[in-house]
Amino acid sequence: EAAVTQSPRNKVTVTGGNVTLSCRQTNSHNYMYWYRQDTGHGLRLIHYSYGAGNLQIGDVPDGYKATRTTQEDFFLLLELASPSQTSLYFCASSDSGNNNQAPLFGEGTRLSVL
Amino acid sequence: LAKTTQPPSMEAYEGQEVNVSCSHTNIATSEYIYWYRQVPHQGPQFIIQGYKDYVVNEVASLFISADRKLSTLSLPWVSLRDAAVYYCIVTPDTNAYKVIFGKGTHLHVLP
Repeated sequence: EAAVTQSPRNKVTVTGGNVTLSCRQTNSHNYMYWYRQDTGHGLRLIHYSYGAGNLQIGDVPDGYKATRTTQEDFFLLLELASPSQTSLYFCASSDSGNNNQAPLFGEGTRLSVL
Repeated sequence: LAKTTQPPSMEAYEGQEVNVSCSHTNIATSEYIYWYRQVPHQGPQFIIQGYKDYVVNEVASLFISADRKLSTLSLPWVSLRDAAVYYCIVTPDTNAYKVIFGKGTHLHVLP
């Protein structure tokens, strides 16, 4: 069954802390995405990737790095976390093939930066 | 990228049919229309997709106008579990597969 798994589901860190959010998909999809969701802003795209080693900048990339180590794994890195990065983070994957399959989303990671 | 416009909120009673509209006036010929819904504390869930005309699945139906500038998601017999935020998105060209969400339509279902 197609799945996108995020870990951890919840994370608390302090200002200036180093955080890594993980995402794994078992769908053989080539595209993967990281979004953040905040009240009043909806889902905003941080970074995305179309394959291992590739990284594309989204709409709100400042303060975030990302790395796609394999087709399955996409990581979001916050090297100096700030309270403004407190948010709900979603990972998604999709296939850019001719079927135009809709992106599948993970369950989310709630991050609190104190 | 085609921008989408949806009503911010709607209200319906249980058992009613609900139609959620989405305007995408700049949609390109290569773009598809997807609908998602999201309940609190969960990720967006795919509902239905289409390119033109009429699409139906076990959950919903989707009508797309002849000029493809308007789509309408139809939910038959809504229940309290259908209370969610519904998002209409339009995919860009496959060479730049950047999926962008708008603010969606918050559907309130009354008993």
